[in-house]
Amino acid sequence: DTAVSQTPKYLVTQMGNDKSIKCEQNLGHDTMYWYKQDSKKFLKIMFSYNNKELIINETVPNRFSPKSPDKAHLNLHINSLELGDSAVYFCASLGDRNEQYFGPGTRLTVT
Amino acid sequence: KQEVTQIPAALSVPEGENLVLNCSFTDSAIYNLQWFRQDPGKGLTSLLLIQSSQREQTSGRLNASLDKSSGRSTLYIAASQPGDSATYLCAVSPNSGGYQKVTFGTGTKLQVIP
Repeated sequence: DTAVSQTPKYLVTQMGNDKSIKCEQNLGHDTMYWYKQDSKKFLKIMFSYNNKELIINETVPNRFSPKSPDKAHLNLHINSLELGDSAVYFCASLGDRNEQYFGPGTRLTVT
Repeated sequence: KQEVTQIPAALSVPEGENLVLNCSFTDSAIYNLQWFRQDPGKGLTSLLLIQSSQREQTSGRLNASLDKSSGRSTLYIAASQPGDSATYLCAVSPNSGGYQKVTFGTGTKLQVIP
């Protein structure tokens, strides 16, 4: 069973489009995250949700809107995509020992 | 602001060699430190988690140590194998629970040559 899953794995789209990435975890964790990994492989936190409530928002442009319908799901919607949004987006959840479990990533390419 | 540095950025070793990866952090007020490996085009796999009260953790051929006061952690890999080739990332958490903002290091890309 996949612990943290993301869809889609790859996403290629044009500038100006709106797209969504979905994340689901079956670990029963309360906290989930979105991270962005840029071309230099640097990982940076974007958002964190705890039990459907937004608790961390790292000054991400408001074109990015996370949504958590329940504590097992955390989706990321991106409006008006820009070239600079091209990156790999990772979803993660937080375990009981404060260890992070990562999804496989979504590689977003904006052309 | 916490900064996490990993040196070297890349490392190439022959199979069978023991090796050490380094992770340095500027703020010693951490709750825990986690080591991950990332294979090309894949997500992060957790290797070891060290709580701030611990000095080291071991899993198989991997041993991670933590010296919180000096802001350093090392990941020791014994008898390296080609399958160990990956990018290794360390990450520090400043506090517990969902409010933690994990800061990741820049990674060390390891290549083990058969």
